[in-house]
Amino acid sequence: NAGVTQTPKFRVLKTGQSMTLLCAQDMNHEYMYWYRQDPGMGLRLIHYSVGEGTTAKGEVPDGYNVSRLKKQNFLLGLESAAPSQTSVYFCASRGSGREETQYFGPGTRLLVL
Amino acid sequence: GNSVTQMEGPVTLSEEAFLTINCTYTATGYPSLFWYVQYPGEGLQLLLKATKADDKGSNKGFEATYRKETTSFHLEKGSVQVSDSAVYFCASWDTGRRALTFGSGTRLQVQP
Repeated sequence: NAGVTQTPKFRVLKTGQSMTLLCAQDMNHEYMYWYRQDPGMGLRLIHYSVGEGTTAKGEVPDGYNVSRLKKQNFLLGLESAAPSQTSVYFCASRGSGREETQYFGPGTRLLVL
Repeated sequence: GNSVTQMEGPVTLSEEAFLTINCTYTATGYPSLFWYVQYPGEGLQLLLKATKADDKGSNKGFEATYRKETTSFHLEKGSVQVSDSAVYFCASWDTGRRALTFGSGTRLQVQP
């Protein structure tokens, strides 16, 4: 039982390049999330999904797209990376019950030059 | 939507000192409240939670009580250890978004 895993752990991009971050969970959770963590700003929600085939915008969705084609995977895409997207990205998942715990992945550190 | 405010850091304490990290929230109704901890280079882990008013969450010597009168969920520990050095995040459950809303985090440094 690996929990929540993220790929890659670290990536350097040039401005304008694209990439996809992969999140996978093996807990059969309905809900999945992408957050970004920046110094002094805590975690901000980018996009989330409440089930396979569904996605919704969070607090800071601009410049990102997501897909949830399979229940266990949640992909975060950057079509044209910008230096402002330099951050640490965390994926999380959660069951749908009221008192469920949200579990986090180890994070992906992204540097956009 | 919800918002969470927690005290600025860093908080620097000596080993065995008493810890308080303040957290207040704004929300419609009474959301579940959480404290997460992030050790260096790692993701966030749930430390404790409380799902209704007057509940007390506790784990590893840490405690927090859900106070609806003051809309607060302050984190406390009676005697901190060097191994408690980490960043602590307060969060509330946003029923509309079905996601957690986080505070900005408080870095705790415990010196031997």
